[in-house]
Amino acid sequence: QSVVTQPLSVSGTPGQRVIISCSGSSSNFGTSTLNWYQQVPGTTPKLLIYGNNQRPSGVPDRFSGSKSGTSGSLAISGLQSDDEANYYCAMWDDNLNGLLFGGGTKLTVL
Amino acid sequence: QVRLVQSGAEVKKAGSSVRVSCKTSGYKFSNSSISWVRQAPGQGFEFMGWINGHIGNPNYVQRFQDRLTLTIDKSTNTVYMELRNLRSDDTAMYYCAKLDSKDFWTAFVDYWGPGTMVTVSS
Repeated sequence: QSVVTQPLSVSGTPGQRVIISCSGSSSNFGTSTLNWYQQVPGTTPKLLIYGNNQRPSGVPDRFSGSKSGTSGSLAISGLQSDDEANYYCAMWDDNLNGLLFGGGTKLTVL
Repeated sequence: QVRLVQSGAEVKKAGSSVRVSCKTSGYKFSNSSISWVRQAPGQGFEFMGWINGHIGNPNYVQRFQDRLTLTIDKSTNTVYMELRNLRSDDTAMYYCAKLDSKDFWTAFVDYWGPGTMVTVSS
C-alpha cells in the first residue's frame, strides 16, 4: 500500500518563510506531478499548486512548489496569519490507481 | 464559472446505502471526469474513484470496488455516488471533485464541491 509522508506540523512567524515536505515512492513520485491543497478547517480545500510548480490564477506567488526524485515541497514566503491551515500534497499513484494524498501538515502562524 | 452542487447531509444506519448527487455547471461536462474524495472527521483525504463525463465509465480504487457505484446523467450534467453496506467508519464528508488531466499522471483536482456529510450510526 502506497504512502505519502508529510510532517504533522510546521510553524513560523509572520513574514517568515516555511517549507512543507512531501515524500513518497516510485509508484507515485516516479511518474506523477505533484499538487498541493490548502484547507482551512471547516472549509472546502483550495488548489494551491499543480504540475509540481504551477499556480492557478489567484494564488499569490508567495506560494511555490518543487519536486525532485521521490520528494517534493511547498514553500510559503512572507507568512501571513491567514495562511494558518492544513496543507496536503497529492499525486497520482499507480498502485492505488487514483490520487494519493499525504496525511496533511498543520501550519501554525505564531 | 465552474460550480459543483452536492445534495444535503445524510444520516444512515449501518448496513444501508447512501446516494449523493453532484450537479455540475460552468464547463463542458463531457471534457472532464468527476472524482469522489472523502474526509473522515479530523482526518485527511481518501480518493474513492472517478467517472468520465463523456463515456461514463467508472473507475474505483480497490478498497471500494465492491461497495461503490458511480453513475452520470448527461441530460443534467449530474454525477451520482452510491456507497453500499455502510459501516461506522464510513462517516465522513464526501466531496465530488472535478479532475483536470491530460493523463493520469498529471491529474489534479481543480474544483471541489462543498461536501456532503454522511453519518453512519449503528
